[in-house]
Amino acid sequence: LAKTTQPISMDSYEGQEVNITCSHNNIATNDYITWYQQFPSQGPRFIIQGYKTKVTNEVASLFIPADRKSSTLSLPRVSLSDTAVYYCLLGDAGNMLTFGGGTRLMVKP
Amino acid sequence: GAGVSQSPSNKVTEKGKDVELRCDPISGHTALYWYRQSLGQGLEFLIYFQGNSAPDKSGLPSDRFSAERTGGSVSTLTIQRTQQEDSAVYLCASSLVWRGDETQYFGPGTRLLVL
Repeated sequence: LAKTTQPISMDSYEGQEVNITCSHNNIATNDYITWYQQFPSQGPRFIIQGYKTKVTNEVASLFIPADRKSSTLSLPRVSLSDTAVYYCLLGDAGNMLTFGGGTRLMVKP
Repeated sequence: GAGVSQSPSNKVTEKGKDVELRCDPISGHTALYWYRQSLGQGLEFLIYFQGNSAPDKSGLPSDRFSAERTGGSVSTLTIQRTQQEDSAVYLCASSLVWRGDETQYFGPGTRLLVL
């Protein structure tokens, strides 16, 4: 069963770029990598997903190296409202879904 | 349209009692997932449904936990003889189909406190 590892917490300041890395050494060939954001007292919500190389949407970028043993969520110019817990998830039809332990991002003014 | 809803939003029960937690997925979503989140912890995957079928129940913490889904819609997670360690937020999510790359839409969760 693939396992993911993330930093427990990170601090940043408004306007900075934040990079959160998730390690998944045993990722399966068919696994996709998905990142979710969770605010207190709410369920997680989808941010971005990728399989390999780089994916970008209106809120974030996801970098995945060729060996796919890690992935990095990049949040450009964070604001106070980006303070949340960020989870990476590996998933493939037929596998148990594996969430990382989550990274608590604190954005300071 | 309406998102995933869960009820009750909060439940306080006494140790040893049974509880039922309900999840109403987004209409048309065939896949449904249950997770548990203890205070300050990450998400623990419990079980998923593809239609009314749960192919793998090995994620359920003990035989006191069971889940069912009827009509391809509403799902119920039942915890029998609750214990204090069952206290947590139980989150439900749904997706259009069961695939690892499908976006999951989460409900607000049910906060369970076992006294």
